[in-house]
Amino acid sequence: DSGVTQTPKHLITATGQRVTLRCSPRSGDLSVYWYQQSLDQGLQFLIQYYNGEERAKGNILERFSAQQFPDLHSELNLSSLELGDSALYFCASSVGVGKYNSPLHFGNGTRLTVT
Amino acid sequence: AQTVTQSQPEMSVQEAETVTLSCTYDTSESDYYLFWYKQPPSRQMILVIRQEAYKQQNATENRFSVNFQKAAKSFSLKISDSQLGDAAMYFCAYRSQSGNQFYFGTGTSLTVIP
Repeated sequence: DSGVTQTPKHLITATGQRVTLRCSPRSGDLSVYWYQQSLDQGLQFLIQYYNGEERAKGNILERFSAQQFPDLHSELNLSSLELGDSALYFCASSVGVGKYNSPLHFGNGTRLTVT
Repeated sequence: AQTVTQSQPEMSVQEAETVTLSCTYDTSESDYYLFWYKQPPSRQMILVIRQEAYKQQNATENRFSVNFQKAAKSFSLKISDSQLGDAAMYFCAYRSQSGNQFYFGTGTSLTVIP
């Protein structure tokens, strides 16, 4: 068990809808990362937060947004969903900036299906 | 930005044999960390092994070991006595000295043949 909790595990929704994915990082971890993994694809980095502040942005669409709250949990909001947004969305956490010896600890992912 | 390359999209190994998965990276940093992650069919991401760039000694975790060649910027993963449960996608990852970013390779799909 990585200690990173993602909810929900599965999400099925229709095109054009909006969904929110939730992540609770491992206890003591200040950094949260979001990744998208489409079927048989690698990991696409979306965005990173550290202690409530956005630290890095990857290939995140404008329809997607995220935030990290004071209790360090994070939410990824996906809106105007398209079929191509169907993927496994991972949240991962790490101790924080500067402690680069710390690995990423991944949650089990949220499997999003857009119909 | 750093890049991580896994040149073998697919590999296969006979059960009980040894297999080596390759990974190279491009960086101008002198200190960094390298990781191998395993993603089995359940699609969980599991940390397999990590290597500190300043350490010359190669990391080992049970049947998993790395061959870290800093000058060549190479970080291969050796799996000894391969087991059916080793069948998975394996991702190599680089963590920059600044600590912000993790860079992942595109993965190598390992099949273990009984």
